[in-house]
Amino acid sequence: AQKVTQAQTEISVVEKEDVTLDCVYETRDTTYYLFWYKQPPSGELVFLIRRNSFDEQNEISGRYSWNFQKSTSSFNFTITASQVVDSAVYFCALSEAGANSNSGYALNFGKGTSLLVTP
Amino acid sequence: EAQVTQNPRYLITVTGKKLTVTCSQNMNHEYMSWYRQDPGLGLRQIYYSMNVEVTDKGDVPEGYKVSRKEKRNFPLILESPSPNQTSLYFCASSLFVTDTQYFGPGTRLTVL
Repeated sequence: AQKVTQAQTEISVVEKEDVTLDCVYETRDTTYYLFWYKQPPSGELVFLIRRNSFDEQNEISGRYSWNFQKSTSSFNFTITASQVVDSAVYFCALSEAGANSNSGYALNFGKGTSLLVTP
Repeated sequence: EAQVTQNPRYLITVTGKKLTVTCSQNMNHEYMSWYRQDPGLGLRQIYYSMNVEVTDKGDVPEGYKVSRKEKRNFPLILESPSPNQTSLYFCASSLFVTDTQYFGPGTRLTVL
């Protein structure tokens, strides 16, 4: 079963629009970590954020914000006032650390959401 | 500069010709890992290493080998590459297993 689901395969927005990328995860562990990575067209994987399961505070970094809700097992990512440079594939990932973990100490990635921001 | 390096960045080879993709990190990280990225399948873990001389299989280890003789290096070995190993490969490292993993630039491998 997939541990991280990113239901939106592709999203297209016009510059300056706000856009939210959804991430739903599945785990039986009480201790786990959630991540977002960005993969621009050049192909590298760029770390954006790491959040542990005990910290449900939302986070804002410039135009980026993240909404973590344990009740719905979601860790959504919002880009405010999108720009063309935000065009990339965005991955949500889960790392489990508890006794129930059988993930092989991997980052379990979602399949990614491809975001296209047009001028 | 703190970084993960991979070499080569691009490689075209033929079926059965052994190859090694090198990975090196300069951050004194304990944990290192290899992933492959394929369209529609996302990133999947091949092998990981918790420390020197400690390696274990990930989700898709078949056809690959690794070694961790030094903390900084974690090479990926394809003893007899096949076309289904054509992929984009990433090496990653982190201070410990649940810490942020930092990725190398990727190696695009084509096996003909």
